[in-house]
Amino acid sequence: EIVLTQSPATLSLSPGERATLSCRASQSVSSYLAWYQQKPGQAPRLLIYDASNRATGIPARFSGSGSGTDFTLTISSLEPEDFAVFYCQQRINWPLTFGGGTRVEIK
Amino acid sequence: EVQLVESGGGLVKPGRSLRLSCTASGFTVGDYGMSWFRQAPGKGLEWVGFIRSKDEGGKTEYAASVKGRFTISRDDSKNVAYLQMNSLKTDDTAVYYCTRDGYNAWYFDYWGQGALVTVSS
Repeated sequence: EIVLTQSPATLSLSPGERATLSCRASQSVSSYLAWYQQKPGQAPRLLIYDASNRATGIPARFSGSGSGTDFTLTISSLEPEDFAVFYCQQRINWPLTFGGGTRVEIK
Repeated sequence: EVQLVESGGGLVKPGRSLRLSCTASGFTVGDYGMSWFRQAPGKGLEWVGFIRSKDEGGKTEYAASVKGRFTISRDDSKNVAYLQMNSLKTDDTAVYYCTRDGYNAWYFDYWGQGALVTVSS
């Protein structure tokens, strides 16, 4: 099973700041990585797939990069609605696995 | 508009069974892979299982934690996907989400609102 480790666990930032979230895989997942955002009481929302492709309707301030074992989700300028928990997910192998999440909170 | 609506959640005793339904609208469930995920209270996301599209033969995959106890199926005539859960354990307590593999690549672009399953005596 591929283990995904996200860091930091919590990121405290202000609106307008840049957020940089990390996801590290225990073995290479090539570019087969997605990012999801989850707000309290809501289902997750797909943001990025194949490491760097924005899903339909996702604003350009969200971007993804990386390949192999190290990946980054960047939010260029945080909007008030962006504060949430973010998860990475790999799809190269069964079982599909998620990272433990990074909470982006308002400072 | 694509929508997924789960139903069938509730309180069940350990060892009993429960079936969740996922009613889809705006697309045909047989044309897409469908997956179930769960999230225990205050915890992260866990993949439960997956059913391939009709074109891919409808084969299923399961997480080790539920293999042999849970079964995913689909009724194309009703446009519904199911998660049959048998021999439930207290560790199965979670919100269960039905999702669509919109990219045919095991990335999930639409999620239901979730159904809470509580396993407790």
